[in-house]
Amino acid sequence: DTEVTQTPKHLVMGMTNKKSLKCEQHMGHRAMYWYKQKAKKPPELMFVYSYEKLSINESVPSRFSPECPNSSLLNLHLHALQPEDSALYLCASSQVETGGFNEQFFGPGTRLTVL
Amino acid sequence: GENVEQHPSTLSVQEGDSAVIKCTYSDSASNYFPWYKQELGKGPQLIIDIRSNVGEKKDQRIAVTLNKTAKHFSLHITETQPEDSAVYFCAATLYSTLTFGKGTMLLVSP
Repeated sequence: DTEVTQTPKHLVMGMTNKKSLKCEQHMGHRAMYWYKQKAKKPPELMFVYSYEKLSINESVPSRFSPECPNSSLLNLHLHALQPEDSALYLCASSQVETGGFNEQFFGPGTRLTVL
Repeated sequence: GENVEQHPSTLSVQEGDSAVIKCTYSDSASNYFPWYKQELGKGPQLIIDIRSNVGEKKDQRIAVTLNKTAKHFSLHITETQPEDSAVYFCAATLYSTLTFGKGTMLLVSP
């Protein structure tokens, strides 16, 4: 299995809602990532988990809360979002490389719209 | 931190032509350079990559070259087909973090 899956595919939420995005991989990867991608822009790194521990937080607002319950799952909890948070949220996974060779595999993304 | 410049932003070719996309990076410590293809409504797909100890790598119609001295790397697609139409991102890896270029929209006309 060489696939990263994400659910839901689309999500529409109000600014007062609480929702979660889910990501799963069964490639045995021990590094997992959340990216945010706005239209016609490259992905921007939000969070990195390595061996289920948060290793990088790219100064993301606290209304985004990541969680890594086990080595195969990654969640992103959303609360009190703003319309400007509307974007494609991508999950990726990779081996934990000590040499910096970081072959990341991306999921299809969740298209989030905040009203 | 690393900075990656990518050119051109848009590239239109006729089916069967070759396409070349170029990227430069700023930090000589970067050692891994993947290329991703992103089709509309989908996540980025890794199509080819190259490590800093290699100068060229080829996979069927796709090739990547790396010039470490000049700090630039390029994607070459030969015999382009309409299904090659997509946005292509180059990236450079420093300390296991990917830094992406701004992307190139490739349009292949039949």
